Amino acid sequence: DAKTTQPPSMDCAEGRAANLPCNHSTISGNEYVYWYRQIHSQGPQYIIHGLKNNETNEMASLIITEDRKSSTLILPHATLRDTAVYYCIVRVRTSGSRLTFGEGTQLTVNP
Amino acid sequence: DSGVTQTPKHLITATGQRVTLRCSPRSGDLSVYWYQQSLDQGLQFLIQYYNGEERAKGNILERFSAQQFPDLHSELNLSSLELGDSALYFCASSPFPRGATDTQYFGPGTRLTVL
Repeated sequence: DAKTTQPPSMDCAEGRAANLPCNHSTISGNEYVYWYRQIHSQGPQYIIHGLKNNETNEMASLIITEDRKSSTLILPHATLRDTAVYYCIVRVRTSGSRLTFGEGTQLTVNP
Repeated sequence: DSGVTQTPKHLITATGQRVTLRCSPRSGDLSVYWYQQSLDQGLQFLIQYYNGEERAKGNILERFSAQQFPDLHSELNLSSLELGDSALYFCASSPFPRGATDTQYFGPGTRLTVL
């Protein structure tokens, strides 16, 4: 699976959009970008995934650049409950394979 | 609520002891994954079972073993425990190989403390 690079920490004001970047310059054609988050020692929570088109669900939007070498997770209206470590993971979707977690980004939403 | 359950939530034991962690996957999911999260190692994959058979191994110690039963629940057995085994242990499940997605859903974890 391709390696990802994320900033170690970010801050966001409550009610504003949180934009979390991820670099995955070695991504290959059959690899998807997945995002998970972990709220203080709870089990990691699936957020969204995508291949090359932008994706949106009830939690977030995922924007993937045309060359697929980077992506941005957008939480449109961050709340205090969105404070968590966010992990960007690249993997082959249907492989049934492990998730390889990096260090992630600690997002802190401030009141 | 992901639909994955893990018991117990907390476990405190002594060095040299043996413990069993239990995981029930989401209804219909055939694959179960175990992950360990310690302060110095982050979240690491241990082992995967699919429909009762071991499918993949990660950084799992020889003192650790797992199995998946016919009803698809899984158990992770940790023996000869050491202080360094203190960690959060997460179970995840996915519908692999069925379904249009292979998203893994995680349980709430078991916090193991070895004294």
